[in-house]
Amino acid sequence: EPEVTQTPSHQVTQMGQEVILRCVPISNHLYFYWYRQILGQKVEFLVSFYNNEISEKSEIFDDQFSVERPDGSNFTLKIRSTKLEDSAMYFCASYPGPSTDTQYFGPGTRLTVL
Amino acid sequence: GQSLEQPSEVTAVEGAIVQINCTYQTSGFYGLSWYQQHDGGAPTFLSYNGLDGLEETGRFSSFLSRSDSYGYLLLQELQMKDSASYFCAVNNNQGGKLIFGQGTELSVKP
Repeated sequence: EPEVTQTPSHQVTQMGQEVILRCVPISNHLYFYWYRQILGQKVEFLVSFYNNEISEKSEIFDDQFSVERPDGSNFTLKIRSTKLEDSAMYFCASYPGPSTDTQYFGPGTRLTVL
Repeated sequence: GQSLEQPSEVTAVEGAIVQINCTYQTSGFYGLSWYQQHDGGAPTFLSYNGLDGLEETGRFSSFLSRSDSYGYLLLQELQMKDSASYFCAVNNNQGGKLIFGQGTELSVKP
């Protein structure tokens, strides 16, 4: 069964450094998302992406964040200058479109900012 | 604001039935989803309700009442492997973001 994949599974970085989290959504899916989950808390929406542009973003998704779909398969989240509070699990998700109502989540990248 | 309320934790024994409730207040509503998460792993889709009524998928069922802004997840014949966190989530439009509740931690005891 097709699945969303994410790399790396763990990322440790120093405060102020840039990180890029990578995702390969399910092929032929049209909508892509990034969510994050701080340890012990709920999953929070960051940004959605459709038709090669951001369709919606949350208050969390400030100027330090950006997303890109550089080719037909990858979907990336960049954090320009990481802060301690960016430490969280980052999940990528994809959605095929009107044929279903399910968003499929990847296994996540655990980001630790020191 | 937008909020979803669900109990923080529930405990049940193997073989029992458990119901996890979710009430929501959102600026729009398209559907209610339920996800399972084991120990910080990926949220795994369980069930979806776009219309009022009951949806059944094996041991799991989900119910929605749009007029009451309320839904629940029903887990039957509980197994130890069902111990996990369960999240309800609302999306306001097709393809839109999911707004998650705080999650219910289910502990299944022998």
